[in-house]
Amino acid sequence: DAGVIQSPRHEVTEMGQEVTLRCKPISGHDYLFWYRQTMMRGLELLIYFNNNVPIDDSGMPEDRFSAKMPNASFSTLKIQPSEPRDSAVYFCANILGTGSTGELFFGEGSRLTVL
Amino acid sequence: GIQVEQSPPDLILQEGANSTLRCNFSDSVNNLQWFHQNPWGQLINLFYIPSGTKQNGRLSATTVATERYSLLYISSSQTTDSGVYFCAVVEYGNKLVFGAGTILRVKS
Repeated sequence: DAGVIQSPRHEVTEMGQEVTLRCKPISGHDYLFWYRQTMMRGLELLIYFNNNVPIDDSGMPEDRFSAKMPNASFSTLKIQPSEPRDSAVYFCANILGTGSTGELFFGEGSRLTVL
Repeated sequence: GIQVEQSPPDLILQEGANSTLRCNFSDSVNNLQWFHQNPWGQLINLFYIPSGTKQNGRLSATTVATERYSLLYISSSQTTDSGVYFCAVVEYGNKLVFGAGTILRVKS
């Protein structure tokens, strides 16, 4: 298995533009997570899905952020409109296993820079 | 929510030295993981260790769940061990909460 695949790996955009980050999870893994990493706040959970259904989106910072998982093999995180403070590395991750005892595996991340 | 504290915040080692990293957590957990973030930003699983001891090459980890801490041991450190080491625990459901990390620099 190729693991969790994220795209784009790097994105530079201007303030006000829409940004879409993509994630292809590991086949057969039921849980998908979106994390954001910044120097100031470390690794923060934004949202997670179970069987394509959003379970906890309490970490989504604002209405400008939205996430979808239309099927088991694809998820998107969208920021519209983007702002400079959204600059960060965004990680998608899967759990191998079930329930709260699963092992989390990360994609390589998408580095976003908003000018 | 659950608090996760890691120590030391940063560490400089000479190649070949041993080290111990610590993770304290404020509540009982049934899921604890250690990750290494390499200088390229990749987050790599080291151990899934809610309790007990595991070893993988020069690395080993011990979690004492009843006392709410976990230790990561690095023996005979190498420059490729440099990076940030994170401990993460499940707060509830499947929400992993990360510590602030330990920055390790191994000098040759």
